[in-house]
Amino acid sequence: DAGVIQSPRHEVTEMGQEVTLRCKPISGHNSLFWYRQTMMRGLELLIYFNNNVPIDDSGMPEDRFSAKMPNASFSTLKIQPSEPRDSAVYFCASSFTGPLGYGYTFGSGTRLTVV
Amino acid sequence: DAKTTQPPSMDCAEGRAANLPCNHSTISGNEYVYWYRQIHSQGPQYIIHGLKNNETNEMASLIITEDRKSSTLILPHATLRDTAVYYCIVGYKAGNQFYFGTGTSLTVIP
Repeated sequence: DAGVIQSPRHEVTEMGQEVTLRCKPISGHNSLFWYRQTMMRGLELLIYFNNNVPIDDSGMPEDRFSAKMPNASFSTLKIQPSEPRDSAVYFCASSFTGPLGYGYTFGSGTRLTVV
Repeated sequence: DAKTTQPPSMDCAEGRAANLPCNHSTISGNEYVYWYRQIHSQGPQYIIHGLKNNETNEMASLIITEDRKSSTLILPHATLRDTAVYYCIVGYKAGNQFYFGTGTSLTVIP
């Protein structure tokens, strides 16, 4: 298994531009999570999906952020318009949520820089 | 919101056991204790989890106190590659909605 795959690994964009981050979870996992990590705030849970349905998006900072999971093998996190304070590493994680589930597998992250 | 307390940093000599403590005094009966670690610039990595019994796997051992209000992650023979930030998290296995605190930055010294 290739693990959780995120793309791109690095993204540099100008303020005001739209940014789309992508995630492919591990096959068979039924939950997907988006996290953001900064030095100041650490790892923050933004949103999570269970069986492709958004369960809790209370961590999404603003309406500029949106996430979708059109099917079990793909999710996107979009920022429109982007701002310099959105610069961070964005991690996607997946898990099998249920009695036999044991925890997350994280992707390698997308380092976003907004200039 | 994170429901655990960990020391911000620790050092450990290479080859010695690293014992990382975690307080989770408000843990509920059905919540598990999970440990993850994050090596610089990588995604967090699952290490181990437990409910009330002590657990051991190829990476580490987890000791949970009888009242479940605290736990200790033990790396039996620390290597330089174990230098990382270690996160202790409590959560429901079925729900799996995890909030990471600030963790403990472990430095293994040659």
